[in-house]
Amino acid sequence: AQSVTQPDIHITVSEGASLELRCNYSYGATPYLFWYVQSPGQGLQLLLKYFSGDTLVQGIKGFEAEFKRSQSSFNLRKPSVHWSDAAEYFCAVGSPSGNTPLVFGKGTRLSVIA
Amino acid sequence: NAGVTQTPKFRVLKTGQSMTLLCAQDMNHEYMYWYRQDPGMGLRLIHYSVGEGTTAKGEVPDGYNVSRLKKQNFLLGLESAAPSQTSVYFCASRDYGRGAYTDTQYFGPGTRLTVL
Repeated sequence: AQSVTQPDIHITVSEGASLELRCNYSYGATPYLFWYVQSPGQGLQLLLKYFSGDTLVQGIKGFEAEFKRSQSSFNLRKPSVHWSDAAEYFCAVGSPSGNTPLVFGKGTRLSVIA
Repeated sequence: NAGVTQTPKFRVLKTGQSMTLLCAQDMNHEYMYWYRQDPGMGLRLIHYSVGEGTTAKGEVPDGYNVSRLKKQNFLLGLESAAPSQTSVYFCASRDYGRGAYTDTQYFGPGTRLTVL
């Protein structure tokens, strides 16, 4: 069965500092991988996705993520965090066949301090 | 193009009352989902649909029913509300299969439900 683990429940970073949010998945083959962001009081929005090919994918708002098959990881990074990045971030795994719903991690809440 | 809309945005129910949450999408997507979000629990899938007239159970289906009579609408019903169903409910539609390497879920803004 597919599963996603986001080990960090809450992370606090200073504005301008770099960010890395961790995501580990369990899946039998090469999955589709996603990061979604949820700003307070809103629904989720897709940040980026990995299907195949280049293991470093670029997303919106300056985010990137790297797929590492050997570590079953898909960590999200940003070189310099802005106060507006404060939100909850969800990693998700899906099947390339699309016949099963995405499986979401429990999320990591990011706080940004001045 | 409104995307995914949810009605209502807020609702307060008394235990035992019933209600229906409406989700509508104008993107002609086949796949639609209902989730609930509770603190520390992430998103939990309630029910989903892979096309008009189809529904399937998700992770936490008990106490909920759904219907997908029209492709653009996905209704979530609570027949007899319980305080444990106090939550924020999100609907999503998914564009899987619309093209090569196409797979994005679009979420509605949520419905905040309180059951007293």
